[in-house]
Amino acid sequence: SQKIEQNSEALNIQEGKTATLTCNYTNYSPAYLQWYRQDPGRGPVFLLLIRENEKEKRKERLKVTFDTTLKQSLFHITASQPADSATYLCARGSQGNLIFGKGTKLSVKP
Amino acid sequence: SAVISQKPSRDICQRGTSLTIQCQVDSQVTMMFWYRQQPGQSLTLIATANQGSEATYESGFVIDKFPISRPNLTFSTLTVSNMSPEDSSIYLCSVVLSGERTDTQYFGPGTRLTVL
Repeated sequence: SQKIEQNSEALNIQEGKTATLTCNYTNYSPAYLQWYRQDPGRGPVFLLLIRENEKEKRKERLKVTFDTTLKQSLFHITASQPADSATYLCARGSQGNLIFGKGTKLSVKP
Repeated sequence: SAVISQKPSRDICQRGTSLTIQCQVDSQVTMMFWYRQQPGQSLTLIATANQGSEATYESGFVIDKFPISRPNLTFSTLTVSNMSPEDSSIYLCSVVLSGERTDTQYFGPGTRLTVL
């Protein structure tokens, strides 16, 4: 089956460090991957989309990479802040019909 | 961007009853999507609701259990029928808006349902 997996349920880091979250996919080649942020009691909020022909995409302190050889996308938050604490979701598929990973809960400690 | 509101924000219901969740969007959209997020699980698409036609359900979801209405381009309802504790979940409404370079998907805040 076509899977999208976020192997880490939780990640704890110190403020100021770089957080790196992993998303792996198997048995297919997505045209693009997306990353969302979800805070408790709220719906997911779109952050970044990266296409298979893009190695890297940046948005302020966020960086996403797409490695089609490793079948993996990495999501980085540089100079992390406690306000970055949330669950981050990776997703594939067409808009509307998204398939999500289970998410990684990031906690940034001051 | 799209602003999506859902009612109720949460509810506690008895087994065997039904709950209707409302979704209101601040702009007109062709398609609205309903997702479910069970505890510890990923978001899963339930169905796609088009205005003026029947909803399209994903594998594992049926109209009798999750009837959907789409009376206009800014509103939709999802009913969870004959509820059991396994239906305890967060239900989210979602829309896609077209942008200059790409489409962006927006989600409502969700409705947290607990079935006793």
